[in-house]
Amino acid sequence: DARVTQTPRHKVTEMGQEVTMRCQPILGHNTVFWYRQTMMQGLELLAYFRNRAPLDDSGMPKDRFSAEMPDATLATLKIQPSEPRDSAVYFCASGLTSGRQPNTEAFFGQGTRLTVV
Amino acid sequence: GENVEQHPSTLSVQEGDSAVIKCTYSDSASNYFPWYKQELGKGPQLIIDIRSNVGEKKDQRIAVTLNKTAKHFSLHITETQPEDSAVYFCAARSGLGYSTLTFGKGTMLLVSP
Repeated sequence: DARVTQTPRHKVTEMGQEVTMRCQPILGHNTVFWYRQTMMQGLELLAYFRNRAPLDDSGMPKDRFSAEMPDATLATLKIQPSEPRDSAVYFCASGLTSGRQPNTEAFFGQGTRLTVV
Repeated sequence: GENVEQHPSTLSVQEGDSAVIKCTYSDSASNYFPWYKQELGKGPQLIIDIRSNVGEKKDQRIAVTLNKTAKHFSLHITETQPEDSAVYFCAARSGLGYSTLTFGKGTMLLVSP
């Protein structure tokens, strides 16, 4: 059963601490997305990788957020230092793309619910 | 960039009734329009999609219509069931360049038995 796996599912941390969220995309997928979901803003795209290279991270606050793909099976999203306004659900999604346009839909993980107190 | 508006934000129906959710988009270059269903504590899951070369698509009790001229598309659920209760998101993606999905704000659908 192919699925996107995110860890941890829940994270409570104090303001100022570093937070790392991990994502294992579906095997064979070459495109990874990070989204943030809040009641006010809905689903916002933070970063977008293809073949491990960042294509678009314009939605991400650069001063405290960073996204990487150390290898094809792992994507990470870090927040340092974390702030209460970062509290949200963070979703990773993966897909398959050849050429400019995706071949498949974006498959979402279960999300990481982050609470910064 | 693309802007997607979704209405209504909440929708309550009785079991067996139909439900309609509407979205508008701004980018005339958008050519792919998926709908996602998100249940409590889970990630969004694709339920149906439509491309700009098609005006309507059906899959059992759900259907999507697209009006490219007016730049709007709609999700129709017939014979609603309590398990249809969830948040539904529409999205749009441009056919130009390395584009990504832009989502609407979501519609919370509640189906009462």
